Order: sequence, then C-alpha cells, then structure tokens
Amino acid sequence: GNSVTQMEGPVTLSEEAFLTINCTYTATGYPSLFWYVQYPGEGLQLLLKATKADDKGSNKGFEATYRKETTSFHLEKGSVQVSDSAVYFCALSEAAGNKLTFGGGTRVLVKP
Amino acid sequence: GAGVSQTPSNKVTEKGKYVELRCDPISGHTALYWYRQSLGQGPEFLIYFQGTGAADDSGLPNDRFFAVRPEGSVSTLKIQRTERGDSAVYLCASSFKGERTQYFGPGTRLLVL
Repeated sequence: GNSVTQMEGPVTLSEEAFLTINCTYTATGYPSLFWYVQYPGEGLQLLLKATKADDKGSNKGFEATYRKETTSFHLEKGSVQVSDSAVYFCALSEAAGNKLTFGGGTRVLVKP
Repeated sequence: GAGVSQTPSNKVTEKGKYVELRCDPISGHTALYWYRQSLGQGPEFLIYFQGTGAADDSGLPNDRFFAVRPEGSVSTLKIQRTERGDSAVYLCASSFKGERTQYFGPGTRLLVL
C-alpha cells in the first residue's frame, strides 16, 4: 500500500534560518504530492502541491520539488519567521477521489 | 467564499453513548471525505463520498462507525457505543469531482470519558 515518511520533530530554529523537512513516499502509481500545514489551534491548510515528476510547488516562500527518482518531496524555506511555527504534513493521493495518505507530521518551532 | 464547516467544534461524551458529527462541504464540491487524527499523528482516512453514495468506506474501523450524505451535500458521521479509544479529532474535507486537492474543515474534537 501507499505510505509517507517524514522526519520526526520537533525542529527548533532561529528566525531567518533555513528550513528543510524531508518527506519520502511509496506508491504504486503516479501520485500527486502535497504539503499541508496546521497552525496552532487551526485546521489543516493546503500549503503547496505538485502533480507530476519534476514539478515544483511553491507558496508563502516554501518550495518542494517532486523527485520521482528518489521518491521524495522535501519542503524548504530559505528564511523562516516566527509565524511559520506549525505542524507540517506531507501527503499523497493516487487519483481523483482517492484518499490522502499522510505522514506523521513534523512540528516546527521558530524562535525570535 | 465559505470553507468546509464542521459542528460541533468540541464534543464530550461518556463511554457507550451515541454521537453525530456534522460536515458542510464547500459549495459545489461533490466529493467529501472523513478522516480521524489522533494526538501527535497524521490524519487517517475513514470514508469517501462521491455525491450521495459512499464510494470507499475501507477506513471505517468497525461497524460502530457509519456515515451518510443523503442529499449529496451535508454529511453526518455517526459513532455508536463510543469507546475511549474513539477520542480524536475528526476531520472533514471536500473537493471538486475529478480533482485531487482536498480542502479541510477545522475538525471536531471528540473526547470520550
């Protein structure tokens, strides 16, 4: 079956530091890949997505590139802010109408 | 526009009781999903509706869990004879037909005492 593995947290950073959260996946077909973010006290929000190999998703300064050869979709941001403190989830979907399979989440804490 | 809404936001019940959780999807979204998120974990799939019918209910953990969507819009997740292990955040998501991107509601936090 499908699975998503992401690095365990918490990840603690200083403001303006570089952030990377690793995500690798296992899927039988050609999945779409997603990063969702959960800010404290809020629901899951779509951060970015990529639908095919070599696509790059980007939003709010975050980027992730769909790497089929390494089955990875690592999330990066060049300069984090305190407001980026949240839990980040990597997820995949193999088809429209197909369930999302999530990783376990990575908590990020950015200190001023 | 309005996003996915879920009610109640919090529900406390006693072991053995029956609960209903409601989800109102984004207008025009024909696909609706339920997930369960335990503390410190990622969401886990429960059931998927396309229109009024359950297209995939493979994630329902047992027959105490049931969901309906009688008019193809609002959905209700029903849990009978609740157990303490059912305590979690129940998330609802919706999407347009044919799209993979799902949009989530704020969730219902269920606590079974």
